[in-house]
Amino acid sequence: EDQVTQSPEALRLQEGESSSLNCSYTVSGLRGLFWYRQDPGKGPEFLFTLYSAGEEKEKERLKATLTKKESFLHITAPKPEDSATYLCAVQPSGGYQKVTFGIGTKLQVIP
Amino acid sequence: DSGVTQTPKHLITATGQRVTLRCSPRSGDLSVYWYQQSLDQGLQFLIQYYNGEERAKGNILERFSAQQFPDLHSELNLSSLELGDSALYFCASSVVGRGGTEAFFGQGTRLTVV
Repeated sequence: EDQVTQSPEALRLQEGESSSLNCSYTVSGLRGLFWYRQDPGKGPEFLFTLYSAGEEKEKERLKATLTKKESFLHITAPKPEDSATYLCAVQPSGGYQKVTFGIGTKLQVIP
Repeated sequence: DSGVTQTPKHLITATGQRVTLRCSPRSGDLSVYWYQQSLDQGLQFLIQYYNGEERAKGNILERFSAQQFPDLHSELNLSSLELGDSALYFCASSVVGRGGTEAFFGQGTRLTVV
């Protein structure tokens, strides 16, 4: 069974205080690892897809990295508008396979 | 706006009843996914359709069923509803069926069973 564990469950940062969110995963062959952002009461918003260990992707203040067992979402100099729940998900390789989501990290950025 | 439309936004119904949730995918997307998100729980994959055919099944209860129509919209049918079925139900769509690409989520249907 595929598993995704995200830590910490909640994170409170001061504006400008950089940090990282962790996503540990277990999957039998990785097709893709996804990061999403979810605001309260809204649908998840796609951020990144990572396919292989060593890959990195950036978008504004966010940078996602991938190893064989985990992924990190680095947030540089966050702003209050970065407050949201960040979700990590994995999809195994081989045909049509379901995506497994982690519970997420709830990030709060204080002005 | 992701381009995925879900209706209704809110639904309140009694235990034992049946409801239908509707999803219109983004223009051009052939895959539709259904997810359930309960309070303090992650997104639980229910089922995926690709161009009208069921492609992958997750933890979907026998009381739940879905289909994708020729115009690619999809419906999720929930029957014999229980209090524990109260949750946010999301639909997502993507271009391809095999994944490895981003899925775009709708705003969800909040189902409350009383």
